[in-house]
Amino acid sequence: AQSVTQLGSHVSVSEGALVLLRCNYSSSVPPYLFWYVQYPNQGLQLLLKYTTGATLVKGINGFEAEFKKSETSFHLTKPSAHMSDAAEYFCAVSYNQAGTALIFGKGTTLSVSS
Amino acid sequence: DGGITQSPKYLFRKEGQNVTLSCEQNLNHDAMYWYRQDPGQGLRLIYYSQIVNDFQKGDIAEGYSVSREKKESFPLTVTSAQKNPTAFYLCASSMGVGTGPSYEQYFGPGTRLTVT
Repeated sequence: AQSVTQLGSHVSVSEGALVLLRCNYSSSVPPYLFWYVQYPNQGLQLLLKYTTGATLVKGINGFEAEFKKSETSFHLTKPSAHMSDAAEYFCAVSYNQAGTALIFGKGTTLSVSS
Repeated sequence: DGGITQSPKYLFRKEGQNVTLSCEQNLNHDAMYWYRQDPGQGLRLIYYSQIVNDFQKGDIAEGYSVSREKKESFPLTVTSAQKNPTAFYLCASSMGVGTGPSYEQYFGPGTRLTVT
């Protein structure tokens, strides 16, 4: 079965530090990849997506992610964390098959300390 | 402004009662989805619909029912058969279902249901 794994359910960083949230998917077929962010008691907001072309994708709020096919990974990074980045982050994949919805990882909660 | 609305934001019900959660979108999207979110479990798909008058079960459909009589509306009923209904429910929509890179999903603000 196709799946998405987010390594680390909780990640803590200091303000100004590098943010790295890990996402791996299981498939031999290149998927479409997404990162969403969720603030407490709110819906999900799309941060960025990879479809085709350039493997380094830039998103909103200074986040970026790199698609590495050989590693089946799509890790999310931000050079310098802000307090406002504290939220839950979800990685999701779509396998371009008719009738399939997005498959979500279990999420990673990012905490940012001053 | 285009978007997805869910109402109410918070909902309280007694055990044994059915309850219907509203989801409306004005994005002219064909596909709509319902997810359940529990702490540490991510999003789990309950039902989705690709077109009016058609819908498919997701991974955890037992105890839930849906209808899709209008393109813009996809209400979810949590029935008394759902053993553990207390959760955060999210509705989403997309242009289609899984058949193209632009088919990212747009989410509503969610409804937190508490059943006691």
